[in-house]
Amino acid sequence: QQPVQSPQAVILREGEDAVINCSSSKALYSVHWYRQKHGEAPVFLMILLKGGEQKGHEKISASFNEKKQQSSLYLTASQLSYSGTYFCGTERANFGNEKLTFGTGTRLTIIP
Amino acid sequence: DARVTQTPRHKVTEMGQEVTMRCQPILGHNTVFWYRQTMMQGLELLAYFRNRAPLDDSGMPKDRFSAEMPDATLATLKIQPSEPRDSAVYFCASARGGVGSPLHFGNGTRLTVT
Repeated sequence: QQPVQSPQAVILREGEDAVINCSSSKALYSVHWYRQKHGEAPVFLMILLKGGEQKGHEKISASFNEKKQQSSLYLTASQLSYSGTYFCGTERANFGNEKLTFGTGTRLTIIP
Repeated sequence: DARVTQTPRHKVTEMGQEVTMRCQPILGHNTVFWYRQTMMQGLELLAYFRNRAPLDDSGMPKDRFSAEMPDATLATLKIQPSEPRDSAVYFCASARGGVGSPLHFGNGTRLTVT
């Protein structure tokens, strides 16, 4: 089942902050975050695992509320390079099944 | 930097023709995914493999799509016969495997079926 992302799109001025949310109706083992620039492949940003472990870039912060099956990606002091579409991907960890299902994306535009 | 390699980058074909897309995963990655991206549906998982064995292909139209891994360095996705609704960008991604492993995406194959 596809996770739901919000907002669908956001426009920020350089230096402003943004929060992108991702929620699932199913129990999750992990949430992934990826960024895709126009005409390019998605690029890994961060993974948040059940139990609190996180893997990813130092400059990216995110949270995972296991009780609510929700994750949020925090973009602070945004730069022009942050523009792109952000996808969350969710894993429901049945044994041996790490199928990653992506949300519909949040388009972020940073203007000078 | 190690990367996932996909060929071709672009493919234009006529309806009814066979299309084959190829993917070379990152060396040492044992899990390979095929995704299709369209404006309407976003990133849809078509199939994925672990250690060359198909684990899930429930997202793939079985009558016309097939995915294989002839060896650890090559994954293929075939469409026969192709239809205009198959027009999309097809991404291959690989991962070291196990829950919580980051996916590394190739640059995609942009398929246009006329």
